[in-house]
Amino acid sequence: GAVVSQHPSWVICKSGTSVKIECRSLDFQATTMFWYRQFPKQSLMLMATSNEGSKATYEQGVEKDKFLINHASLTLSTLTVTSAHPEDSSFYICSALRRKGVAFEQYFGPGTRLTVT
Amino acid sequence: GENVEQHPSTLSVQEGDSAVIKCTYSDSASNYFPWYKQELGKRPQLIIDIRSNVGEKKDQRIAVTLNKTAKHFSLHITETQPEDSAVYFCAASKGGGFKTIFGAGTRLFVKA
Repeated sequence: GAVVSQHPSWVICKSGTSVKIECRSLDFQATTMFWYRQFPKQSLMLMATSNEGSKATYEQGVEKDKFLINHASLTLSTLTVTSAHPEDSSFYICSALRRKGVAFEQYFGPGTRLTVT
Repeated sequence: GENVEQHPSTLSVQEGDSAVIKCTYSDSASNYFPWYKQELGKRPQLIIDIRSNVGEKKDQRIAVTLNKTAKHFSLHITETQPEDSAVYFCAASKGGGFKTIFGAGTRLFVKA
């Protein structure tokens, strides 16, 4: 089956610093990846759509200058949380779309738990 | 905007009983409806999905039904087991799986 990895699995950083999270599709190419954040006991909230070779599309209310997304290759998308603050602490999950016929299947990464102190 | 509502938020059943989770969606253009199971601290795992040209799909103890007219779909788990305990999310998307909107989740407890 399709495998998506994320790195790091957890990270603790100080307020004001930046953190980069990587999302990789290991055995398929993904022109489109998605970034979600999930607060404890809540649903997955779509933050942005990452498109290979072009700018990401951000959902309403998500600051593009704070959450920088780069999708430089068909297997890698990165999310950089800039000037992190404690309220950015969350579980960040990426997913990659794999084409299956005329439709798509979405495969999730294992998530990255970010704690900002 | 697009919205997916999910009920109940919490469901507790006795082992062996059935569990039903219901969702409604707002965007009539949605055509793909996956269900995910998420255990604590782990990634969501696709357990079953249904496309808009199908009314019902079954995979062993799990079944999903779709009513396009009413814009609602349901997950049915029969003969529940303690290992079914997890959070279940319904979702809806257009374009056959592109840009998925998730429901709020249902925390299922199966008591042994």
